[in-house]
Amino acid sequence: QSVLTQPPSASGSPGQSVTISCTGSTSDIGRFDLVSWYQQFPGKAPRLIIYEVNKRPSGVPDRFSGSKSDRTASLTVSGLRAEDEADFYCSSYAGYNLWVFGGGTKLTVL
Amino acid sequence: QAQLVESGGGSVKPGGSLRLSCEGSGIPFSDDYMTWIRQVPGEGLRWISYISSTGRYTNHADSVKGRFTISRDNAKNSMFLHMNSLRVEDSGVYFCTRGRNHAFDLWGQGIPVIVSS
Repeated sequence: QSVLTQPPSASGSPGQSVTISCTGSTSDIGRFDLVSWYQQFPGKAPRLIIYEVNKRPSGVPDRFSGSKSDRTASLTVSGLRAEDEADFYCSSYAGYNLWVFGGGTKLTVL
Repeated sequence: QAQLVESGGGSVKPGGSLRLSCEGSGIPFSDDYMTWIRQVPGEGLRWISYISSTGRYTNHADSVKGRFTISRDNAKNSMFLHMNSLRVEDSGVYFCTRGRNHAFDLWGQGIPVIVSS
């Protein structure tokens, strides 16, 4: 069982926006602004798309955005495209050189 | 081109041992901390082990403490995971990652570990 809680699935039509939540505790998300998000396609390694709650690595489209409120972080994908269909995972630093992950959300573009 | 390449995975019986290796290329390997992350097919990701840039500091998830040891050889751009007393629940795909800004910005392709009798 994962430490962070994500919905198992999310969906939206092309052009729409979809938001994926990630709920933790006062020991991880609630304590640190160090939430990251990863996109994973079948058979591939995860790819970092958001770090430090809302920062995007070079090359990640600005259609991907992150936010945090209290113990819950969120990833929003705007202007959905077919190629966005993938699994998304959240992660948080939890202190003492330890990290926790969510169970993953499968995003379907209808 | 920056990349990490894992090797050393395979199939082993419960109680056995394996050593995973991760070699970096195209990156300043000694600048950053590194981690191992495991994924069970169809399930989520789980952080397993951390090692600081110099190798001085390490940490492991409670589920593997006392059985797994992480190490690195910066002169060879390599990191290792020594896995002893393996259990069925240690099975999965193991990813080597580079850590920056408390996130994992570079991942290897993953290496499967199967623990089965």
